[in-house]
Amino acid sequence: EVQLVESGGGLVQPGRSLKLSCAASGFTFSNYGMAWVCQAPTKGLEWVASISTGGGNTYYRDSVKGRFTISRDNAKNTLYLQMDSLRSEDTATYYCARHTDSSYIYFDYWGQGVMVTVSS
Amino acid sequence: DIQMTQSPASLSASLGETVTIECLASEDIYDILAWYQQKPGKSPQLLIYDASSLHTGVPSRFSGSGSGTQYSLKINSLQPEDFASYYCQNGLSAPLTFGSGTKLEIK
Repeated sequence: EVQLVESGGGLVQPGRSLKLSCAASGFTFSNYGMAWVCQAPTKGLEWVASISTGGGNTYYRDSVKGRFTISRDNAKNTLYLQMDSLRSEDTATYYCARHTDSSYIYFDYWGQGVMVTVSS
Repeated sequence: DIQMTQSPASLSASLGETVTIECLASEDIYDILAWYQQKPGKSPQLLIYDASSLHTGVPSRFSGSGSGTQYSLKINSLQPEDFASYYCQNGLSAPLTFGSGTKLEIK
């Protein structure tokens, strides 16, 4: 059974940093691209970043470029999101999601989500 | 960036009814579109990919159609578990973009 379990969320002050982790199991992690998708309270879904199978290619939405870094450790079956210079508008639930086995980017498995609150 | 305009924002329907949700892309996305269902407090679940292909385990009362810039999700014979929020998503190129969502409520 595919499982994605996020951790590392919490309350953080504006300008500070936080690192999210996503532990994957039930599939060959190194064979799949991975992503982070967020959802602000009562709002819709927003793609944040994606990373290729080997980690050599990364993609970000404009609002997080230069502040967030997606990475992965295939030996540990873990996906990360380093979040620096956090802003109040980054407050959201962050989901780890697996890319489908396709040439195009869809998300076929999602974690339960982890809440990040940026507030003084 | 490709903008995804989803309508309606909310929809009330009765059990057994058929409903359709629309998604309009700001440019041709060549059927590279997915639909997701999200229940309150839960993570999204993939329903449809490539505009019309049903994801594994998704009931056949869900169907997707469309081409170019216009796409739709149809749900036949609404069941209690179908009352949720639905999102479309452009899978063609980064930045990947979602529609703003449709909340389907029981009438």
